[in-house]
Amino acid sequence: DARVTQTPRHKVTEMGQEVTMRCQPILGHNTVFWYRQTMMQGLELLAYFRNRAPLDDSGMPKDRFSAEMPDATLATLKIQPSEPRDSAVYFCASGPTIRTDTQYFGPGTRLTVL
Amino acid sequence: AQKVTQAQTEISVVEKEDVTLDCVYETRDTTYYLFWYKQPPSGELVFLIRRNSFDEQNEISGRYSWNFQKSTSSFNFTITASQVVDSAVYFCALSAYNTDKLIFGTGTRLQVFP
Repeated sequence: DARVTQTPRHKVTEMGQEVTMRCQPILGHNTVFWYRQTMMQGLELLAYFRNRAPLDDSGMPKDRFSAEMPDATLATLKIQPSEPRDSAVYFCASGPTIRTDTQYFGPGTRLTVL
Repeated sequence: AQKVTQAQTEISVVEKEDVTLDCVYETRDTTYYLFWYKQPPSGELVFLIRRNSFDEQNEISGRYSWNFQKSTSSFNFTITASQVVDSAVYFCALSAYNTDKLIFGTGTRLQVFP
């Protein structure tokens, strides 16, 4: 049963620290998405990649967030420096090549910035 | 602009009751896709169904059924004989043809009491 995996599942850090979240997409999926979920904003798309190339990062605060795919099996989302307002659950999702095909979500990383 | 509205914020039912979760969408595209995801208390987002705009046939999967009506721009989800394990937040989402982006509704929290 193929799944998207994310690490860490939980992260508590202090304001100003760097945070790195990792995602392993389902093998064979070449589209990877990063979402953020908060009570106030709901589910928001931050960025996504196809074949490791960034296609859209318009939902991401550029000054402190960065997303990369070093290889086909790893996507990373970094926040530097972190702020309390970044506290949220960050989801990674992956999907096959075909646009509008189903996105399969990982379990999420719950980030708390104190 | 695309938009998904889930007007029911929270629904409570007693086990074995039937329950319908409403989803109304807005889009100017003639080809689009609709999705339902389930988010149980554990937090992950679980894919339930994907339908395209040309297929208005109702779908049934066990106790779950979906009613897609283009005339009213609705894609409602019914759980028959609800069970405690159905307790979760349910999200409806929309994606236009030839795009990767999912637009999520705000979710409906379903609580099923024994």
